[in-house]
Amino acid sequence: DAGVIQSPRHEVTEMGQEVTLRCKPISGHDYLFWYRQTMMRGLELLIYFNNNVPIDDSGMPEDRFSAKMPNASFSTLKIQPSEPRDSAVYFCASSPGLAGQETQYFGPGTRLLVL
Amino acid sequence: GIQVEQSPPDLILQEGANSTLRCNFSDSVNNLQWFHQNPWGQLINLFYIPSGTKQNGRLSATTVATERYSLLYISSSQTTDSGVYFCAPRGNTGFQKLVFGTGTRLLVSP
Repeated sequence: DAGVIQSPRHEVTEMGQEVTLRCKPISGHDYLFWYRQTMMRGLELLIYFNNNVPIDDSGMPEDRFSAKMPNASFSTLKIQPSEPRDSAVYFCASSPGLAGQETQYFGPGTRLLVL
Repeated sequence: GIQVEQSPPDLILQEGANSTLRCNFSDSVNNLQWFHQNPWGQLINLFYIPSGTKQNGRLSATTVATERYSLLYISSSQTTDSGVYFCAPRGNTGFQKLVFGTGTRLLVSP
């Protein structure tokens, strides 16, 4: 398997613009996670899905952030409008989710810079 | 929520040395993973180890869930071991939420 795929790998945008990050999980994995990594806050979970349904979005910082999973092989994280404080590395991860098979596999991340 | 503390925060080793990284957590867990974040930012799974001991080459990990800690052992360290090591337990809440520690930054010099 190719692993978790994320695009773009790097994104530079100006404040106020819309940003869309994309993720393709590992085939057969029922759980998908979006994380954000910053120097100040470390790695934090934003939202996760089970079978395409959002289960816990308590980590989403504010209404400017939204995430969707229209099918089992694709998810997006959207920021609209973007702000400089959104600059971070955004990781997508997936997991089989079965008891004893709960390892989360991370994608390479998208490095976002909002000017 | 569960609190995670990793030690030491920073570690410098000479190539070939051994080291032990520690992860303490505040509550009972049913999942714990160790990750290595390499200098290019990639997060690499090392172990899924909610309890017991596992070994993979020069690395091994032990989790003592009843005492709320996990250890990662690196033997005969190599420069490619450099990076940040994260411990990420998940509490017994029934949700899939890993909580990451602040990491141990390791530098292995030749």
